[in-house]
Amino acid sequence: GQQLNQSPQSMFIQEGEDVSMNCTSSSIFNTWLWYKQDPGEGPVLLIALYKAGELTSNGRLTAQFGITRKDSFLNISASIPSDVGIYFCAGTPSGTYKYIFGTGTRLKVLA
Amino acid sequence: KAGVTQTPRYLIKTRGQQVTLSCSPISGHRSVSWYQQTPGQGLQFLFEYFSETQRNKGNFPGRFSGRQFSNSRSEMNVSTLELGDSALYLCASSLATGLDGYTFGSGTRLTVV
Repeated sequence: GQQLNQSPQSMFIQEGEDVSMNCTSSSIFNTWLWYKQDPGEGPVLLIALYKAGELTSNGRLTAQFGITRKDSFLNISASIPSDVGIYFCAGTPSGTYKYIFGTGTRLKVLA
Repeated sequence: KAGVTQTPRYLIKTRGQQVTLSCSPISGHRSVSWYQQTPGQGLQFLFEYFSETQRNKGNFPGRFSGRQFSNSRSEMNVSTLELGDSALYLCASSLATGLDGYTFGSGTRLTVV
């Protein structure tokens, strides 16, 4: 089935550093969502994007809907230990309501 | 308001048995989706229900089934369990189309032995 390529798969960073991750697709998407999942819990919605080029922030998090509609980016500024977790992108291919999830980026923050 | 509630949180079953998982969506949410999460495959879409009707279906065998009740609560059933069915099963609800984003429950951790 259709897949989203999310990168990097995992990353270790120092506390205070900025983090960037992205998600790409071979087809056009209408919606992009970014989620964070803590161990033992379900994913929690961080940011939702609905329009090509849209840039949205949620505290230290900023996400963008790529202008080609085939990618999205998530940036975390000044990372802190509680940013540890798995970040998932999810999108709806054009013409569907079904979300497809990326494989996740596992973030580990070193204090 | 209460979030998405999934029961039970943990479950251990024997190969060949069947299992039923339950999901209560956020009040007012009419769409319920189910996902299987495994370390190797990530989040895989199982199916989505809206107003008691299956609206979308993923690529899982017929052993996986679900239903939604008139109060929007949903159940998922897996028959003839296999070892590979061990996973975290997540339920997510949304108002209607899901384009407003899903709210996930904490999941049911199913272990098949």
